[in-house]
Amino acid sequence: GVTQSPTHLIKTRGQQVTLRCSSQSGHNTVSWYQQALGQGPQFIFQYYEEEERQRGNFPDRFSGHQFPNYSSELNVNALELDDSALYLCASREGPGTSTDTQYFGPGTRLTVL
Amino acid sequence: DAKTTQPPSMDCAEGRAANLPCNHSTISGNEYVYWYRQIHSQGPQYIIHGLKNNETNEMASLIITEDRKSSTLILPHATLRDTAVYYCIVNAGGTSYGKLTFGQGTILTVHP
Repeated sequence: GVTQSPTHLIKTRGQQVTLRCSSQSGHNTVSWYQQALGQGPQFIFQYYEEEERQRGNFPDRFSGHQFPNYSSELNVNALELDDSALYLCASREGPGTSTDTQYFGPGTRLTVL
Repeated sequence: DAKTTQPPSMDCAEGRAANLPCNHSTISGNEYVYWYRQIHSQGPQYIIHGLKNNETNEMASLIITEDRKSSTLILPHATLRDTAVYYCIVNAGGTSYGKLTFGQGTILTVHP
């Protein structure tokens, strides 16, 4: 399945953070979502073939990377208090497959103090 | 992607069927209906999806109306472990890059 690290993280305002995700076997597309407390997940961006293909309404402080083995990183610079959330990674087979079934990891809980 | 409307909460007795409705009146012809659920503080779990035919798997059944403007997720014999937030999502499927748009979902509480 999809794995994420770390499980929990505490940072202070202004710091930078990197979250990691390993895709499910056979999946070459990775998406990242942010879930604030009491809300549904919000789409941040999606990577396919090591390029950002689609992006949600998030500032440039949020950036990502996909590696040749399809694992991925989410980087957030200049952390703000509102960045405190559960960050979810999801993987799927690439475009051109018949469906878009995405499989989620357990998430990383980020707390910004 | 088309928007979906779900009731904010529902209750169900353990062992009974849970029927969760979803309205998606602006769905396009190439859009699938997906259902995910999220148990507290865990990642969303895929349940089932369909285009226009009814679908069944080991977890649930999905009934889509003929005009495709609404659907119902059925958990045939709900257990306490089915207590979760259930999300109905409409998405264009494999030809797109697949941004999933989550709403508020339905909080399903299964009672003993």
